[in-house]
Amino acid sequence: DVVMTQTPVSLSLAIGQPASISCKSSQSLLGTSGKTFLNWILQRPGQSPKRLIYQVSKLYSEVPDRFSGSGSETEFTLKISRVEAEDLGVYYCWQGTHFPYTFGAGTKLELK
Amino acid sequence: QVKLLQSGAALVKPGASVKMSCKASGYTFTDYWVSWVKQSHGKSLEWIGEIYPNSGATNFNEKFKGKATLTVDKSTSTAYMELSRLTSEDSAIYYCTRGAYWGQGTLVTVSS
Repeated sequence: DVVMTQTPVSLSLAIGQPASISCKSSQSLLGTSGKTFLNWILQRPGQSPKRLIYQVSKLYSEVPDRFSGSGSETEFTLKISRVEAEDLGVYYCWQGTHFPYTFGAGTKLELK
Repeated sequence: QVKLLQSGAALVKPGASVKMSCKASGYTFTDYWVSWVKQSHGKSLEWIGEIYPNSGATNFNEKFKGKATLTVDKSTSTAYMELSRLTSEDSAIYYCTRGAYWGQGTLVTVSS
């Protein structure tokens, strides 16, 4: 199985500060289609996961543009340019290139 | 808009089975794979498997073969997952997801 390693485990930031989360995969996530199925989701406390980013860098329509995703092959990054209160929760990367699909352990974003 | 509405919480005895549902609306049910994901208390996410409603084709995480059975009812746009021979390790929240959209989760508690 593809192992997804996220760092850091947690982040404590003040509103307005930038955030950066790393996600590394044990195998390249570039698929035979030429697409890289690396996704980011956010799980707010007590809620189900919500979509953020798909195929490395594509934001879903409702996601604020302070979020961005980058990377290729085995190394990926989620960035928030300026953290807002609604951004707190646990961020997960997950891959949909190889079966079984696998998730990172999560990065908890807390507000200072 | 796309919605995935899952069945309510279940309390089941060890050794028994449980069947949960995921009713889809707002899109053509037969056009998209539906996945099921397990989240044990306070932990990360595990992909169980997926089903393509149009054909009933499935893909499974080897770990859950023999544990989970995935079915659909195209007439009601509902996906089902049945878990068998339950143990305390199966106590978790189970989500159905279309990748970009997630249900609210079904809490399964296995206890005598």
